Amino acid sequence: KQEVTQIPAALSVPEGENLVLNCSFTDSAIYNLQWFRQDPGKGLTSLLLIQSSQREQTSGRLNASLDKSSGRSTLYIAASQPGDSATYLCAVMDNNDMRFGAGTRLTVKP
Amino acid sequence: GAGVSQTPSNKVTEKGKYVELRCDPISGHTALYWYRQSLGQGPEFLIYFQGTGAADDSGLPNDRFFAVRPEGSVSTLKIQRTERGDSAVYLCASSLMGNTEAFFGQGTRLTVV
Repeated sequence: KQEVTQIPAALSVPEGENLVLNCSFTDSAIYNLQWFRQDPGKGLTSLLLIQSSQREQTSGRLNASLDKSSGRSTLYIAASQPGDSATYLCAVMDNNDMRFGAGTRLTVKP
Repeated sequence: GAGVSQTPSNKVTEKGKYVELRCDPISGHTALYWYRQSLGQGPEFLIYFQGTGAADDSGLPNDRFFAVRPEGSVSTLKIQRTERGDSAVYLCASSLMGNTEAFFGQGTRLTVV
């Protein structure tokens, strides 16, 4: 059974810093990996999807990388802003089975 | 609609009652997922539909939980004899087909008192 782990569980940084969120998974036979953002009391907003054949995806200040063989993905956020404060979740898709980590709660202080 | 819609947004029910939670996926999306999320946790998989059929229901915690998608579009998650431990946010997601980008609704917050 696929296990997804996200480290750290919580992170607090001052505004303007670059930061990296980590996601690891136990079974490398995946179709894709998706990063989501969740604001308190809200649903999940899709940020980036990386197919298993890809190494990275970029959207604005966000860059996600995937190393399937080592079971790792990172989400890099450049020049963080207070509006980036949220919980970030990674989900691994393995033959229609989408499994989530517990998330990293990010706080960006003004 | 433009996105995944879940109704109701909030539901408070008494222990032992029956509840139904509805999910309207994005039009044309064949894959539909139900998840349950407790405070401070990641979403926990419940069931996955491909079209009308439940392709994977291994996440349903027990036989009080059941889900249907009779016409391959709207899905209903049904919980019988609710217990206080069923209190959580129930999330629905859809994707164009299996193994593609998933889009989530805003969730239904279920509180069993």
